[in-house]
Amino acid sequence: EPEVTQTPSHQVTQMGQEVILRCVPISNHLYFYWYRQILGQKVEFLVSFYNNEISEKSEIFDDQFSVERPDGSNFTLKIRSTKLEDSAMYFCASSDSGGANVLTFGAGSRLTVL
Amino acid sequence: DQQVKQNSPSLSVQEGRISILNCDYTNSMFDYFLWYKKYPAEGPTFLISISSIKDKNEDGRFTVFLNKSAKHLSLHIVPSQPGDSAVYFCAANPLEYGNKLVFGAGTILRVKS
Repeated sequence: EPEVTQTPSHQVTQMGQEVILRCVPISNHLYFYWYRQILGQKVEFLVSFYNNEISEKSEIFDDQFSVERPDGSNFTLKIRSTKLEDSAMYFCASSDSGGANVLTFGAGSRLTVL
Repeated sequence: DQQVKQNSPSLSVQEGRISILNCDYTNSMFDYFLWYKKYPAEGPTFLISISSIKDKNEDGRFTVFLNKSAKHLSLHIVPSQPGDSAVYFCAANPLEYGNKLVFGAGTILRVKS
């Protein structure tokens, strides 16, 4: 069964450092997403991406965050200068349409900011 | 922000019995609802969905019921199996915003054998 893969599974970084989380969405999917879950809290939407541009973003997704599709397979989330409160599990997801559709999630990348 | 609420943090059920997980929402713009299951160290996995034009959707052991007037949905699992033990998330999608899912806090289901 096709799956969304994410790397790294766990990253530890110092506050203020840049972090890039990588995702390989399902190959025929056109819509890509990042969600995050801070420990003990809800899964929260960060950003959706279609046709090489952001289609929707939440208030969490401030100027410290950016997304990119550098090639035909990868989808990345960059945090420019990490803060302690960025520590969370980050989930990438993809879907084959932008309407009411099922998102397929990756296993997540755990980010720990010290 | 409590647009999607799962008021029971955990539920324990005997194997073979019915598990009922509940979810309430406040935003009347939500018109597509999904249940995801999550095991530790894995991402959420899609289980079943329902559109607001329906009041029931069934897939094998899983049935989702939607009561729009009460802004309430529930997931029934029958019969429950030990492998169903996981965290269950209710999620809602306001269609006009595409797939910007709003998740509940999750309910931990434990099925005892």
